[in-house]
Formats: sequence, C-alpha cells, structure tokens
Amino acid sequence: AQKVTQAQTEISVVEKEDVTLDCVYETRDTTYYLFWYKQPPSGELVFLIRRNSFDEQNEISGRYSWNFQKSTSSFNFTITASQVVDSAVYFCALSEVGGSQGNLIFGKGTKLSVKP
Amino acid sequence: DAGVIQSPRHEVTEMGQEVTLRCKLISGHNSLFWYRQTMMRGLELLIYFNNNVPIDDSGMPEDRFSAKMPNASFSTLKIQPSEPRDSAVYFCASRAQNTEAFFGQGTRLTVV
Repeated sequence: AQKVTQAQTEISVVEKEDVTLDCVYETRDTTYYLFWYKQPPSGELVFLIRRNSFDEQNEISGRYSWNFQKSTSSFNFTITASQVVDSAVYFCALSEVGGSQGNLIFGKGTKLSVKP
Repeated sequence: DAGVIQSPRHEVTEMGQEVTLRCKLISGHNSLFWYRQTMMRGLELLIYFNNNVPIDDSGMPEDRFSAKMPNASFSTLKIQPSEPRDSAVYFCASRAQNTEAFFGQGTRLTVV
C-alpha cells in the first residue's frame, strides 16, 4: 500500500532562514512519481515539482531545492532564504504507475510560517 | 485553457438536503480525482477515475456519497442526504497520464 508521511506538522522560522520540509514515502511499485504542492492561505493547491522514480538528480529552482533519495524513501524540500510569502501548507504526494493505475495520495502537510 | 473549474465555490445547505458539486476537467486530461479537506483529516482522496471509469472509490465515506463522470470532461460529486460532518472543502483535480495533477479552486461546503 502507498503512504506518504510528513512528520513535521508545523514549522516556524524567521525570514531569511533556510528550512527543510521532510517527506517519507512507502510504495511497492518500482515506478512511481513524487510531487510537492503548496497551499497558501488563499486555499488553492499549486503544483511545485514532479519527479519520477528513475531520476534521483536533485533539482534547484531559484530558492527551492529538492533532494530525492530512494535509499531512504525520502523526497525533502528545502527553501533557502525564506520569505514571508513562503508561508503556506506544503504537501508531498505519491502516484504509483503500476497496480493502482495512477492513484495520487497526499501526506498530511506541513504548515510553514515565516515571520518577518 | 481555463484550468479545472469547480462549481459552486461556496455552498450552504441544511442537513438532509442533497448537494451536488461539479467539476470540469482540463481538456485532454484523462484522470479525475475528488478530494475532501478538513482540519482534522487533511486532504483525503475520495475517488478517482481513469478514462471515465472509477478505479478506486475506497475513500468515499459512505453510501450517501456518489460520483459520476458522464463524459470525459465533466464530473459530479453528490451527497444525499447531507450531514453537518460533511462540511469541508472539496477539491477536484485532473491530469494527463503520469503527469502532475491540477486542482480546481475548491468548493467550500457548509451543512447546518
């Protein structure tokens, strides 16, 4: 069965600090996709990144970076030099390609508060 | 494309009434997901469809909930009869195969 665990329920940092959001997943499939979404206070869910299970290269996009490690089943998200606008709930998600035909399961989310 | 469109954005109804939530998929997408979000339970997957066929409805809370895809671009989620504990934000999302899902703005349902 697939499962996504985001152990950090809430994180509070001061602006310009770096912060890492953890995501650990479980799956029996060898082929799967991992995602991060952002939900700002306005409520919409915004896609941030997708990785497939065969691509373990880390990715950087501006102040955002992602560290995918299959050995530890983790897909962590780091925000460098955080800003108040980064305050949101961040969700990690998993989609299996095989038996479940593309189910998309989310973790419970991590609420990030960035204070000025 | 206008993205995933959900209607209504807000719904207030009395306990016992039927509620129908609507979702228009992005053109070309073949998977459709319905989620419910509450403070207590987070973002729960209710049901998802591939190519108009329901694949997994194990997340549907009970028989009061039903979902349909009458065609490739449209879906409904119906609650009959509604109860106060159904109050939540309901999201639908669509995607093309093995890509990211795009979410609608959500429907905030309040059952009084």
